[in-house]
Amino acid sequence: NAGVTQTPKFRILKIGQSMTLQCTQDMNHNYMYWYRQDPGMGLKLIYYSVGAGITDKGEVPNGYNVSRSTTEDFPLRLELAAPSQTSVYFCASSYGQGGVNTIYFGEGSWLTVV
Amino acid sequence: GESVGLHLPTLSVQEGDNSIINCAYSNSASDYFIWYKQESGKGPQFIIDIRSNMDKRQGQRVTVLLNKTVKHLSLQIAATQPGDSAVYFCAESGPDFNKFYFGSGTKLNVKP
Repeated sequence: NAGVTQTPKFRILKIGQSMTLQCTQDMNHNYMYWYRQDPGMGLKLIYYSVGAGITDKGEVPNGYNVSRSTTEDFPLRLELAAPSQTSVYFCASSYGQGGVNTIYFGEGSWLTVV
Repeated sequence: GESVGLHLPTLSVQEGDNSIINCAYSNSASDYFIWYKQESGKGPQFIIDIRSNMDKRQGQRVTVLLNKTVKHLSLQIAATQPGDSAVYFCAESGPDFNKFYFGSGTKLNVKP
């Protein structure tokens, strides 16, 4: 079972570069999320989506963009990388049935901006 | 926005003892809570959840207690094992169930 798959696992970016973190899920989940986790901290919600074509901001959206053209895919775009975006990024998904959303996470993407 | 926090950043227990990890939340309208376990270098994994219309829910070796009066959540792990060593997060869903807010986590160290 693949579940939530995100790539790349590790990436080093120079300040000002751009990149896209890819995320795909094979569980036919409606809801998808991007979180970031700084060292020793909890997860902060960046963006989320309740279905294809619908996205919304979370707690820390600045410096990021997302799109949801299909149910399966939810890429996260960093346009002008900054050192403050050095973090571990987790993509997640949930079914969203009946108001109960157990979230399933990917393995994480470690991003360093230098 | 909602706020979820944990009382203890680290907890060390002896193998075989019971562990209790605590969590406070601030939004009295929150309706759904989840505990996650995160092992080093991995994504969070679901442990157990509870709705606000319940006070207690039991799983395999784990129990979650919810006290809505004081907005407090706890995770009890029975007969703690070395494999339980990890960081544990509580998460709270906002009123729309679309967004989850996570606490900063408690690191559980199980001593053999």
